[in-house]
Amino acid sequence: QLQLQESGPGLVKPSETLSLSCSVSGGSIRISNSYWDWIRQSPGKGLEWLGSIHYGGNTYYNPSLRSRVTLSVDTSKNQFSLRLTSLTAADSGVFYCARHVREYQDETGLYHYYIDVWGEGTTVAVSS
Amino acid sequence: DIQLTQSPSFLSASVGDRVTITCRASQAISNSLVWYQQNPGKAPKVLIYAASTLQSGVPSRFSGSGSGTEFTLTISSLQPEDFATYYCQQLNNYSGTFGPGTKVEIK
Repeated sequence: QLQLQESGPGLVKPSETLSLSCSVSGGSIRISNSYWDWIRQSPGKGLEWLGSIHYGGNTYYNPSLRSRVTLSVDTSKNQFSLRLTSLTAADSGVFYCARHVREYQDETGLYHYYIDVWGEGTTVAVSS
Repeated sequence: DIQLTQSPSFLSASVGDRVTITCRASQAISNSLVWYQQNPGKAPKVLIYAASTLQSGVPSRFSGSGSGTEFTLTISSLQPEDFATYYCQQLNNYSGTFGPGTKVEIK
């Protein structure tokens, strides 16, 4: 059973850079129909998709954060990572790594996508 | 960018009630719409994808419908474990916008 586990600092100073990693266990990150995502949730707020990366290296970012977010993948370690720069208090929250899959549906003749595996989340506070 | 809105943002209901949540997209997204349930302190869990396909293991009281810009999630008979927050998401291989969520609470 595929499992994801986030790791990284729980406290970061304003203006600094956050680096988080997600370790994938129980399966390979090198699956063609899988995309590896980062999602965050600010305290008491909703979910915000930050971006996705495919093991082949293609990356996709939330347009509102594109200038501050970088995703990378390390297939040798079976993990992927998030880098978020120029932090402010508004960046505090729970960060989840996740997998979303692409599935072909015969009935529609279309590909469909959904997040089927989530990490447990890691809380990050931005404070001096 | 595609924006999603959900209504209502909050609803109060009783066990056994039929509940409907609506998600609207700012532009047509075919049926590329996913519904998730999130309990406090937990990661979300997928309920429905492709607007109406029930994820394996999800109770049949959950159903989804819609296409284009308007989608609905229906819980036919609310159970105690269903009191949670529900999110819709437009997801493809290059973007993944979430709706703002609907919190379902016990009346």
